[in-house]
Amino acid sequence: DTAVSQTPKYLVTQMGNDKSIKCEQNLGHDTMYWYKQDSKKFLKIMFSYNNKELIINETVPNRFSPKSPDKAHLNLHINSLELGDSAVYFCASSPRGGGRNSPLHFGNGTRLTVT
Amino acid sequence: DAKTTQPTSMDCAEGRAANLPCNHSTISGNEYVYWYRQIHSQGPQYIIHGLKNNETNEMASLIITEDRKSSTLILPHATLRDTAVYYCIVRVGGTGKLIFGQGTTLQVKP
Repeated sequence: DTAVSQTPKYLVTQMGNDKSIKCEQNLGHDTMYWYKQDSKKFLKIMFSYNNKELIINETVPNRFSPKSPDKAHLNLHINSLELGDSAVYFCASSPRGGGRNSPLHFGNGTRLTVT
Repeated sequence: DAKTTQPTSMDCAEGRAANLPCNHSTISGNEYVYWYRQIHSQGPQYIIHGLKNNETNEMASLIITEDRKSSTLILPHATLRDTAVYYCIVRVGGTGKLIFGQGTTLQVKP
């Protein structure tokens, strides 16, 4: 009965490779997000999608491309991986268009290590 | 964006109430206060949120001062599993953008 699930949990890859992280939510929410937690443990929003439409893009390099095939899925594709992309990536979802009275529910993260 | 200030760390004895303070003196009238926690190696977990009234759920209570410039998260009977980083966040209006600070590392001790 996992609410927000991400795969894979761990991802180790070499610089220059292209990789994808998948996210699915079964909460019936219409808004999904990607957050990044760096080595200093700060969590920052990257993207937000509402009903498959991009709402927030927080000056993320265009090597990162989110794709939402339907409102229950938001995948993150990363091209030409760099060492600095190593981080934990969290997917989240919320109801009602992400309004201020709508809590976000997070997945358990994907730890990406670029060597 | 309204900023929050929290103590870096706190200790609490198991079974006692844990009171985690947060200052948000620049909060706007329509901004909610949210609390999340992050247990090691897990995703942030939603705890509670409020606008101006005190709130209680099965996990915690949230006390917001009348001027809304500060709040306190109360875990009534802390257990070892409550050891985590607790984040107080003022929600940016109309979006799902949560601005996380450093949070308070709560250590519950036996």
